[in-house]
Amino acid sequence: QKEVEQNSGPLSVPEGAIASLNCTYSDRGSQSFFWYRQYSGKSPELIMFIYSNGDKEDGRFTAQLNKASQYVSLLIRDSQPSDSATYLCAVTYDYKLSFGAGTTVTVRA
Amino acid sequence: EAGVTQSPTHLIKTRGQQATLRCSPISGHTSVYWYQQALGLGLQFLLWYDEGEERNRGNFPPRFSGRQFPNYSSELNVNALELEDSALYLCASSTGQGARDEQFFGPGTRLTVL
Repeated sequence: QKEVEQNSGPLSVPEGAIASLNCTYSDRGSQSFFWYRQYSGKSPELIMFIYSNGDKEDGRFTAQLNKASQYVSLLIRDSQPSDSATYLCAVTYDYKLSFGAGTTVTVRA
Repeated sequence: EAGVTQSPTHLIKTRGQQATLRCSPISGHTSVYWYQQALGLGLQFLLWYDEGEERNRGNFPPRFSGRQFPNYSSELNVNALELEDSALYLCASSTGQGARDEQFFGPGTRLTVL
């Protein structure tokens, strides 16, 4: 079983809509949860991190964490063409960061 | 403030050769992490160095090794290169303050093994 799983893409959303990305993880001891954005041919860029259950908002991004369900999500509101990228969920356990395979998001104008 | 830097940008080697990749962390960061991103396989954790010591290692053979220098920069060495080692190698750094560390990535080194 993979340590971190993300909903399979690609995800296509119209400009201005909400993009919803999901991620589940297997280790109950996981302590930190991150979302990275990776444009094609570029390195991952940290966009959100969350440590506690609940929601965390930063601009158009909202991360949601439910440790009981071992689930973390990312919502992108008012999606823009510049949001078109692959989004990577990453989970820390035992000082190792495990990444999901990523979900590719395309925002169509 | 300068971000994580890596060199070289691209590296072309042949099977059986050795490759050396370099990474300089963000100023003030003591932890350096190495990842491999091969096509279709996602980001795989390779190595973690903190304060000059290897702290954790991913599921890679011993021919993947590295070290961290007193100035916290790091080197990744890959011996006896195989075709499947062709990938983007990413270095990340963090403050090394524990499991809540946020890791910041460098631009990567694209290794091609012919």
